[in-house]
Amino acid sequence: GIQVEQSPPDLILQEGANSTLRCNFSDSVNNLQWFHQNPWGQLINLFYIPSGTKQNGRLSATTVATERYSLLYISSSQTTDSGVYFCAGLMGAGSYQLTFGKGTKLSVIP
Amino acid sequence: DAGVIQSPRHEVTEMGQEVTLRCKPISGHNSLFWYRQTMMRGLELLIYFNNNVPIDDSGMPEDRFSAKMPNASFSTLKIQPSEPRDSAVYFCASSLTAGPYEQYFGPGTRLTVT
Repeated sequence: GIQVEQSPPDLILQEGANSTLRCNFSDSVNNLQWFHQNPWGQLINLFYIPSGTKQNGRLSATTVATERYSLLYISSSQTTDSGVYFCAGLMGAGSYQLTFGKGTKLSVIP
Repeated sequence: DAGVIQSPRHEVTEMGQEVTLRCKPISGHNSLFWYRQTMMRGLELLIYFNNNVPIDDSGMPEDRFSAKMPNASFSTLKIQPSEPRDSAVYFCASSLTAGPYEQYFGPGTRLTVT
């Protein structure tokens, strides 16, 4: 079955708006990570966040492992934030296999 | 720092031909990963090397795919013979840590097999 689910699948924002992206994951998934793929295809690792909260500039992420979800917050969005945001987790203890969600496609319009 | 370098950036080949993709990780990084991205299957980890040794190749789709890391600064992913369903973007990533944490990705190689 589906083990990493992301919502919403698509999101359009006006520049300057805030947004929250959600990732739900099943019991077998741990060590949550968030990635951004820009419109030119470049992948960037944003956060490694198995639990708790981390912030990096206008981005922050929170993972509540006991409730099997993670949130990515984007504040004061900019057009350069456009792209696809993926969450991914490792399949079980000792695994190196990252399972990716299908992503949230974000479009920030000026 | 030049980041992770991949070559070629684009490759178009005919079915049945051998394809070799190349990757130079960031200097000092001990772990190297090969991923494949397609519209149908999304991002998939193909193989993971740590200190030049293959640790997990369970994602390699079949025997037509092989990967090597002869030294700390170079890795190849070879497909022989190639098939149209191998068309995808192949990413290489490296990290300082053991395991797929805080990876830095290369720009990818877009492979088209006709």
